[in-house]
Amino acid sequence: GAGVSQSPSNKVTEKGKDVELRCDPISGHTALYWYRQSLGQGLEFLIYFQGNSAPDKSGLPSDRFSAERTGGSVSTLTIQRTQQEDSAVYLCASSVRTGGADGYTFGSGTRLTVV
Amino acid sequence: GQSLEQPSEVTAVEGAIVQINCTYQTSGFYGLSWYQQHDGGAPTFLSYNALDGLEETGRFSSFLSRSDSYGYLLLQELQMKDSASYFCAVERADKLIFGTGTRLQVFP
Repeated sequence: GAGVSQSPSNKVTEKGKDVELRCDPISGHTALYWYRQSLGQGLEFLIYFQGNSAPDKSGLPSDRFSAERTGGSVSTLTIQRTQQEDSAVYLCASSVRTGGADGYTFGSGTRLTVV
Repeated sequence: GQSLEQPSEVTAVEGAIVQINCTYQTSGFYGLSWYQQHDGGAPTFLSYNALDGLEETGRFSSFLSRSDSYGYLLLQELQMKDSASYFCAVERADKLIFGTGTRLQVFP
């Protein structure tokens, strides 16, 4: 596609429920990143993929968070047993390759609200 | 640890020049990037400095000095549309670590 697509754009869920966030990167981009941004804050790294592999999961806040990528394309971030502190905008980005030189292209994000 | 510090807010008037600083306490990174984010929007890539010195792209320039652990983004001929948040980021271990962000407000 022309850009990085994320769905849903907004998600309101009850505490304790599971949610799945989807990211469709730019075709041909091998690197895919997930970040989290709380209101008025910076971007917090969660996980990145090179192809279908996740070399770095160090940013995942707890074992309630998991992510996968299939076919070197679509990625899903799953949050189990959501908590109120999980409320944030979840941003996905893709790049031709890992590293910063080519620039990341970000999606518009999924705004998650846990009530 | 890794820490990138930026001023929380900067204000300026249309047509002026503004510099947004980024100081860091990390080593062994490959390059320094800058991103712009309008309220409610996605961050967009502005520039990347792999080497020390100044990189110019139109009205925006970015500078890196590894010896001083310091970089900055320079915006010239400010326009109202430049009002946004600006983030510096270091590339380390194949990912970007972002700074705290600077909110730029441009007044007429």
